[in-house]
Amino acid sequence: DTEVTQTPKHLVMGMTNKKSLKCEQHMGHRAMYWYKQKAKKPPELMFVYSYEKLSINESVPSRFSPECPNSSLLNLHLHALQPEDSALYLCASSQQQGSSNSPLHFGNGTRLTVT
Amino acid sequence: AQSVTQLGSHVSVSEGALVLLRCNYSSSVPPYLFWYVQYPNQGLQLLLKYTSAATLVKGINGFEAEFKKSETSFHLTKPSAHMSDAAEYFCAVSDLYGGSQGNLIFGKGTKLSVKP
Repeated sequence: DTEVTQTPKHLVMGMTNKKSLKCEQHMGHRAMYWYKQKAKKPPELMFVYSYEKLSINESVPSRFSPECPNSSLLNLHLHALQPEDSALYLCASSQQQGSSNSPLHFGNGTRLTVT
Repeated sequence: AQSVTQLGSHVSVSEGALVLLRCNYSSSVPPYLFWYVQYPNQGLQLLLKYTSAATLVKGINGFEAEFKKSETSFHLTKPSAHMSDAAEYFCAVSDLYGGSQGNLIFGKGTKLSVKP
C-alpha cells in the first residue's frame, strides 16, 4: 500500500473539459511534487511545492494549474488539454525539498486520457 | 549539469540468475544516488539510496548497489532473480548545489524481464 493517495486512478476527458487530479499524504511531509510520465519514459518533473508554496514550475503550459490547499493536499487542475497530454500523472512527497535523506514517496498515479 | 545514464533499456535474466543493472552518473559535486522500481500500473518505490555514508548500499527485496567514484558508477545487483522482480528500474541523481535544486534527475529506465 502506498502512503501517497491519488484520485482518480483513471480519467478520460475531452479537450474542452475541466477536471482535477487529487493527491493526499499524511506523513507530515513538507514538499509535494507533480510528475508526468509517458509510456516507456522516466517521470518528468512538473511542479514542486515546498511548505505549501510553489517552488518550481518546470515551464509547464498554463492548461495545467497546481494548487496546494494545505500541507497534506495537492491538486492539479486541468483545462483545455491536448491529446498529447495523455500520460500517467504521479504525485510524490518528501520530508523536505532537495534533501538527500528525504527520498520521494510516490502515489500510484492517475492514468489520464485526453480525447 | 547532473545526469545519469542507464546502459541497456531491456535486460532479461533467468529465474535464479544474477541481476545486474548498470547506471553511470555525471555530477560536478558529490552526488546522491537512488534506485527506484516501478511495477506495472504503479508509482515508483525507493529500492535504495547512496548518500556518502557507505559505498555498498543494501536495499529492499535483496537488492544492493555499489558506489564507485573512480568509475562514476552505481550499478544495481541481486544475486538471484525472482519472477516478482520483473519491473522497470530507474537510477536517479540528486544534488543540492546544481541546477536540479536537489530534485531528482532520472535515467531512462531499464526494463527487467525474468524468465522461468
